[in-house]
Amino acid sequence: TQLLEQSPQFLSIQEGENLTVYCNSSSVFSSLQWYRQEPGEGPVLLVTVVTGGEVKKLKRLTFQFGDARKDSSLHITAAQPGDTGLYLCAGAPGGGNKLTFGTGTQLKVEL
Amino acid sequence: SAVISQKPSRDICQRGTSLTIQCQVDSQVTMMFWYRQQPGQSLTLIATANQGSEATYESGFVIDKFPISRPNLTFSTLTVSNMSPEDSSIYLCSVVQGSTGNTIYFGEGSWLTVV
Repeated sequence: TQLLEQSPQFLSIQEGENLTVYCNSSSVFSSLQWYRQEPGEGPVLLVTVVTGGEVKKLKRLTFQFGDARKDSSLHITAAQPGDTGLYLCAGAPGGGNKLTFGTGTQLKVEL
Repeated sequence: SAVISQKPSRDICQRGTSLTIQCQVDSQVTMMFWYRQQPGQSLTLIATANQGSEATYESGFVIDKFPISRPNLTFSTLTVSNMSPEDSSIYLCSVVQGSTGNTIYFGEGSWLTVV
């Protein structure tokens, strides 16, 4: 059983469209992180959400942590080809630094 | 931020052989981890590399298959032993830096293909 389920698994959209990626769990996390991974590279941290209900914005990316700290979402406004990549949520069950990663969402943004 | 260098970045290996991956960090870090990412999948934690002692392995991973060393605070190795095609993956080194342990960095990964 995967601890962190992401949806959708794959997403192919046109430039300028909006999209939302979801990360869900039955477990409570003290924090959740979102990463983006491009081909041939390691994951790069985008944001960490800590407080239930927290909303963080990073340019066109909006991250939200659920009130119960069991889920999170990533919303991208006006997607661009440079947003293409694998988006991963991750958390450390019970706290600490040993991350459990979500199932991943492969995003492709086309011109 | 920590700069992580992994070697090799990519290799093609023969079935039954072993390969050692190196992870070098440009500064001392509190924790080092090894992850595996199989083609098209997410990351799975293999083990925590402990300085000067045996690594702590996650369920499904054993020392005989994935021996790990960490002789100091900036360097670790992961060996993939007796490889089979199922071991074809990206192997990633990850480090935690800072006294609060909240900042996690990843290397670019080592892409192994077993033929």
